[in-house]
Amino acid sequence: DGGITQSPKYLFRKEGQNVTLSCEQNLNHDAMYWYRQDPGQGLRLIYYSQIVNDFQKGDIAEGYSVSREKKESFPLTVTSAQKNPTAFYLCASSILGAGAPGEQYFGPGTRLTVT
Amino acid sequence: AQTVTQSQPEMSVQEAETVTLSCTYDTSESDYYLFWYKQPPSRQMILVIRQEAYKQQNATENRFSVNFQKAAKSFSLKISDSQLGDAAMYFCAYRSLNNNDMRFGAGTRLTVKP
Repeated sequence: DGGITQSPKYLFRKEGQNVTLSCEQNLNHDAMYWYRQDPGQGLRLIYYSQIVNDFQKGDIAEGYSVSREKKESFPLTVTSAQKNPTAFYLCASSILGAGAPGEQYFGPGTRLTVT
Repeated sequence: AQTVTQSQPEMSVQEAETVTLSCTYDTSESDYYLFWYKQPPSRQMILVIRQEAYKQQNATENRFSVNFQKAAKSFSLKISDSQLGDAAMYFCAYRSLNNNDMRFGAGTRLTVKP
């Protein structure tokens, strides 16, 4: 079955600790994305990557870091510098290329709670 | 930067009836894509329908259809014969052809009453 997996589904951390959220896809998609979702708000882009070993900041990249060492994997680290890390995090991927509509396919999400 | 506005935070519909969710967007581009995504209580985002801006014909997918008004920058979603399983958050999204940035609206929560 092709798709995007995120683990874990729920994650709890103490304030001041870094935490890494996993995202893996077997769709052979070029691009991958990380979004944050807060109540009453839409999705806000944290980082995205169009190719291995390259990534760009989104609207709210401060306090987050990513890596893209493999096409299939795009882990997100929430650092202690992120002021308000408790949120629902969604990973997505899409095909790139001329003429491609670029709809994004999403993983099931990770709910991060920091206390 | 493009913005997407969903002016209806909540909507409700009677089962088997029709409901329309509104979406407007702001852009100076002529070519782009528009999407509607559904997020049920499981929180899994599901693509409902896609519209290419260069196509005049409105997209349809079974009970879901859109009313795309390019000049007015409006992209509404019509759900016909509403079912209990349609209850979810619905997000409108805009994707520029110039980059891979996708902009989402704040969402509309749809309740379906039996």
